[in-house]
Amino acid sequence: DIQVTQSPSSLLASLGERVTITCQTSQSISNNLNWYQQKPGQAPMLLIYYATSLQTGMPSRFSGQYSGRSFTLTITSLEPEDIANYFCLQHYSAPYTFGAGTKLELK
Amino acid sequence: QVQLQQSGAELAKPGSSVKISCKASGYTFTSYYISWIKQTTGQGLEYIGYINTGSGGTNYNEKFKGKATLTVDKSSSTAFMQLSSLTPDDSAVYYCARRNYGDYWGQGVMVTVSS
Repeated sequence: DIQVTQSPSSLLASLGERVTITCQTSQSISNNLNWYQQKPGQAPMLLIYYATSLQTGMPSRFSGQYSGRSFTLTITSLEPEDIANYFCLQHYSAPYTFGAGTKLELK
Repeated sequence: QVQLQQSGAELAKPGSSVKISCKASGYTFTSYYISWIKQTTGQGLEYIGYINTGSGGTNYNEKFKGKATLTVDKSSSTAFMQLSSLTPDDSAVYYCARRNYGDYWGQGVMVTVSS
């Protein structure tokens, strides 16, 4: 199975701050990685698919990049509604595997 | 708009089975796979597998073979997941999602296994 190492596991940030979350995969997966946002008690929502494509309807302050086996999710300027859990999913090779998640909180 | 409406919470006894549903609307059901995901506080998110809603073909995570059975009813645009031989470790929130990589998710079903 492909291992996905997500960091940090938790993050304190201020409103307006730039936030970066990373997922590293144990082997090359090309661009087959998605990012999701999940708020407490809610279902996950797709933010970024195929590493860099912004899902329709998601704010443009969210972006994804990758280089080799390292993938990053960036929020350019943190808004109050961005406080949530974030996780990544590799869908290159079955069984698809998730990162352990990042809990984003306000400083 | 795309919606996946899942059935309600389940309380089940160890050794029993549950069958949860996922009714799709707002798109052509047979054009997209449905995937299933397990979420627990301890283990995080685990991918169970997906079903080709057109052919009924399935792809399971080895870990869930024998535990989960995925089916569809095209006539009602509904996907189902049956969980068998339940143990407390099966207690979790189970989500269905559209596509193998989950572009839209259902609201989740909490399954509690307890005697």
